[in-house]
Amino acid sequence: KNEVEQSPQNLTAQEGEFITINCSYSVGISALHWLQQHPGGGIVSLFMLSSGKKKHGRLIATINIQEKHSSLHITASHPRDSAVYICAVRGSGSGNTGKLIFGQGTTLQVKP
Amino acid sequence: EAGVAQSPRYKIIEKRQSVAFWCNPISGHATLYWYQQILGQGPKLLIQFQNNGVVDDSQLPKDRFSAERLKGVDSTLKIQPAKLEDSAVYLCASSGHENTEAFFGQGTRLTVV
Repeated sequence: KNEVEQSPQNLTAQEGEFITINCSYSVGISALHWLQQHPGGGIVSLFMLSSGKKKHGRLIATINIQEKHSSLHITASHPRDSAVYICAVRGSGSGNTGKLIFGQGTTLQVKP
Repeated sequence: EAGVAQSPRYKIIEKRQSVAFWCNPISGHATLYWYQQILGQGPKLLIQFQNNGVVDDSQLPKDRFSAERLKGVDSTLKIQPAKLEDSAVYLCASSGHENTEAFFGQGTRLTVV
């Protein structure tokens, strides 16, 4: 079992829909990152959070440390949001300290 | 602020050939990472440098992969000889400290034929 699991793996939405991508992890962490990767492009950091909730434009990220779970929400989705969204945690336990552990990614396609 | 620079963006080589990738991190960032991302998977850490010292290279296939960061700034990742399964995107990232936000380059897409 992967230490970081994302769901769903693939997601297709209509423009304007509210989107949620989930991330669960099984290791101790010091922070969790949500990253965006466009086809052929590099990775852009969307959020880094260790508690609570952060908002940037139409994107909202939440984390529940007790449940070891985070969600990324996109409100009023747009075709330009189409990308791979990756959850990554920064480990804090023995052998993982400082190491970024990545999920498999969620491929999002938003249709006009 | 300039981001993490990588070159080349794309490379196609035949198996058994050698290839090198270059990364220039954000100025002042002490920590540099090389990741391998195979299509459909999340990135996998190959090696982590703190200044010019190696912090973690446990997942680096040392029989064919090597990396260096001689002056604690730029870094090169080399594969010699390449195998078909090395086809992937190679991502470089840097952070000011290993517990702060990491910034990623555009990646180098390697195709081994």
